[in-house]
Amino acid sequence: AQSVTQPDIHITVSEGASLELRCNYSYGATPYLFWYVQSPGQGLQLLLKYFSGDTLVQGIKGFEAEFKRSQSSFNLRKPSVHWSDAAEYFCAVGAPNNNNDMRFGAGTRLTVKP
Amino acid sequence: DSGVTQTPKHLITATGQRVTLRCSPRSGDLSVYWYQQSLDQGLQFLIHYYNGEERAKGNILERFSAQQFPDLHSELNLSSLELGDSALYFCASSDLGGANVLTFGAGSRLTVL
Repeated sequence: AQSVTQPDIHITVSEGASLELRCNYSYGATPYLFWYVQSPGQGLQLLLKYFSGDTLVQGIKGFEAEFKRSQSSFNLRKPSVHWSDAAEYFCAVGAPNNNNDMRFGAGTRLTVKP
Repeated sequence: DSGVTQTPKHLITATGQRVTLRCSPRSGDLSVYWYQQSLDQGLQFLIHYYNGEERAKGNILERFSAQQFPDLHSELNLSSLELGDSALYFCASSDLGGANVLTFGAGSRLTVL
């Protein structure tokens, strides 16, 4: 079964600085990959997804992620962080055509310093 | 608003009790998924229903059960509650039974005292 690791439990960046959140997955083939964001008291909102094709995917709120098969990674990036980006970010990996087997990482909490 | 509605938002109850959490999926979505989010276990898949039928079970305890009704809303029943059942319970929906984007509700926070 697939698994996903988010190595960073907590990251602090200054507002305006760039951001990269790491995600590594384990899966025998090309998985479906997702990044979700959870603001306090809210559910998870999809930022972006990768199913196939272009390995650099654009998402909402200025986020992007790059699928690197050789590194089994799907890191999330943003060139300039806003205070409103403070939240918990979850990477998820799913088997193609099987949502039941979707696994979520433990999450990375992002703190934005003014 | 994601379109997935969960009630209640907060629930406090005692050990040994039984509660029911309700989920209305996004309009047009046939699949409903239940997840449990706790500090020590993270986000865990519990169960999936598609158009009224159970499709898959994950890490769901025998004390827990769920169903999806003809109008596609779903209920998660938690019985003989223990302190360790305190968690956020999320419902998510998608329009297909297979791989697709999950749309999450805001969750129901259960506190067992």
